[in-house]
Amino acid sequence: AQTVTQSQPEMSVQEAETVTLSCTYDTSESDYYLFWYKQPPSRQMILVIRQEAYKQQNATENRFSVNFQKAAKSFSLKISDSQLGDAAMYFCAYRSATLKYIFGTGTRLKVLA
Amino acid sequence: EPEVTQTPSHQVTQMGQEVILRCVPISNHLYFYWYRQILGQKVEFLVSFYNNEISEKSEIFDDQFSVERPDGSNFTLKIRSTKLEDSAMYFCASQLTSSHPNEQFFGPGTRLTVL
Repeated sequence: AQTVTQSQPEMSVQEAETVTLSCTYDTSESDYYLFWYKQPPSRQMILVIRQEAYKQQNATENRFSVNFQKAAKSFSLKISDSQLGDAAMYFCAYRSATLKYIFGTGTRLKVLA
Repeated sequence: EPEVTQTPSHQVTQMGQEVILRCVPISNHLYFYWYRQILGQKVEFLVSFYNNEISEKSEIFDDQFSVERPDGSNFTLKIRSTKLEDSAMYFCASQLTSSHPNEQFFGPGTRLTVL
């Protein structure tokens, strides 16, 4: 069975600085997708970025980028130029071959003004 | 931009009562899901639904739970006899296809409180 681990329950970053959120996973599948979702206090889950496992190039979406290390089964999220609006719970998710998502326990990001 | 909607936003019920949580997925999506998040915990998969039948269900999704797509637009989750431990945020999600683009789009959630 696949598992997703987020070892940082909480992180803080100064506004305009860069922060990296960690995620590791375990799977025996070779083809899969990984996602980072943001959950602000409103509780709505918002897609931040996705990575296809067969792509070696790390995904980038504006200030958000990932460091995908397939051999190490690591998928970290880097947020550059952090903004107050980035404060939220961030979940790493693995999409299994059956399409269901397996989520990590989340990292709460605080952005300090 | 199309979005997944869920009603009600908050449901309060007495233990043992039946509740139905409603979701309207994005109109051309084919795959539908329910997840739940107990306060302070991670989001957990409950069930997936495709082609009018359950594709997969988790251990949480026991006989007290059922899903239905009654009219081609709504997707419902029914809990027959609620328990205190069913108190959670329930998220509906939909997905266009199994191939790219393949992210699930989540609704805003229904907070269920069982007293």
